[in-house]
Amino acid sequence: EVQLAESGGVLVQPGSSLKLSCVASGFAFSNYNMHWFRQAPKKGLEWIGMIYYDGSHNYFADSVKGRFTISRDNSKNALFLEMNSLRSEDTAMYYCTKGTSTFDYWGQGTLVTVSS
Amino acid sequence: DIVMTQSPTSMSISVGDRVTMNCKASQNVGSNVDWYQQKTGQSPKLLIYKASNRYTGVLDRFTGSGSGTDFTFTISNVQAEDLAVYYCMQSDSYPFTFGSGTKLEIK
Repeated sequence: EVQLAESGGVLVQPGSSLKLSCVASGFAFSNYNMHWFRQAPKKGLEWIGMIYYDGSHNYFADSVKGRFTISRDNSKNALFLEMNSLRSEDTAMYYCTKGTSTFDYWGQGTLVTVSS
Repeated sequence: DIVMTQSPTSMSISVGDRVTMNCKASQNVGSNVDWYQQKTGQSPKLLIYKASNRYTGVLDRFTGSGSGTDFTFTISNVQAEDLAVYYCMQSDSYPFTFGSGTKLEIK
């Protein structure tokens, strides 16, 4: 059974940094591109970035480009989202997913709150 | 970036009704549109992929159609458990972008 488990979400102050993790199981992690999405409270879904299966390429939404980085450790079936210079508008539930362009498995998400 | 304009924003319908919602892409995205259902407090769930393909286990009450810039999602014989927000998403090019969602409310 495919499982994705995000963690690391906490309350942080504006300007802080935070690193989220996503641990995957039930599929060949190293064969799949991985993506991060987020959803601000009572708002819609937003794709924020992805990493190729081998870590060779990344793409990001303009809203996070230059502040967020995505990495992975295929030996540990783990995906990471490193977030710097956090802003109040980064407050959201963050989800990881697998796949190229269609996302059939989502984790339960981890909540990041940016507030002073 | 490709803008996905989704309509309507919300719909109030009765059990047994048929509902249709639409997404219009700001440029040609081929068939690279998926539809997701999100119930309150839950993660999104894939219903339709590549515009018209029903995902495994999805009931045939849910259908999608369209290509290019105009896409439609239909729920036939709506049930109370269909209460949710429905989103379209284009995956033709990065950044992937979503419509603003259609909230389905049951009368």
